[in-house]
Amino acid sequence: QKEVEQNSGPLSVPEGAIASLNCTYSDRGSQSFFWYRQYSGKSPELIMFIYSNGDKEDGRFTAQLNKASQYVSLLIRDSQPSDSATYLCAPEGKGRRALTFGSGTRLQVQP
Amino acid sequence: DGGITQSPKYLFRKEGQNVTLSCEQNLNHDAMYWYRQDPGQGLRLIYYSQIVNDFQKGDIAEGYSVSREKKESFPLTVTSAQKNPTAFYLCASSQPGSGLGNTEAFFGQGTRLTVV
Repeated sequence: QKEVEQNSGPLSVPEGAIASLNCTYSDRGSQSFFWYRQYSGKSPELIMFIYSNGDKEDGRFTAQLNKASQYVSLLIRDSQPSDSATYLCAPEGKGRRALTFGSGTRLQVQP
Repeated sequence: DGGITQSPKYLFRKEGQNVTLSCEQNLNHDAMYWYRQDPGQGLRLIYYSQIVNDFQKGDIAEGYSVSREKKESFPLTVTSAQKNPTAFYLCASSQPGSGLGNTEAFFGQGTRLTVV
C-alpha cells in the first residue's frame, strides 16, 4: 500500500468554481501534511501546511485534515486559470523517514 | 540568497555513459533528497541523506549512486546500469524537526536528462 494516494485527474473545473483535491494516507502516525503546487516543467512549491485536525485557511486556499479518516484535502475557492497545475500531498516524514509525495492531482481551470 | 542550486539544467547522455548531476544548498539543512519525475507522474524517491556521510536508498535506487561528503552537497550519479534514465530530476532539502518531523522541502530548479 502506498503511503499517500491521490487521484491523478485531471480535475477540470470552470473559472470561479471551488476545486477540491483529496489525499488519503496509510500511516496513522503522520501528524502533519504539506501541499505543494507544481507547474508543468517547474519544481514544486509549498502552498499549505497543516498539522492539526480541522481546517486551515490561507487566502483562497483551505486545507482540511481528518486524522480519524486518514485524509487531507485542499480546497481552492474562486479557481483561476493560473491555478492550473499539479498538486502534491506529502506527510511530514517524521524521524528519519524521507519526504514522500503522492502522485499528484492535475487541476485544469477552464476560463 | 539562500536556496538550492542544481546544475546543469539540461543534460544529454549517450548510452553507456555515467553522468553526475550537481545539487548544492546553502540553507544549512541536514536532509537532502533526490527525486525522479517522469512525464505526467509524481515524484519518486531515489536516495536521501539525513546527515553527512550517511544516505539511504529510496524506492528506485537501482542504477543510481550518491555521496554526501559535505553538508551542502549531494551529487547524484546516473550510471550506465540505469536503463531508462530520461527524466526530470529534482533535488530537495529540508530540516528534520524535533517534534513535527521535517520542515518543508525546498527544491532546486531540476535537471532534465535525456539519453541520445
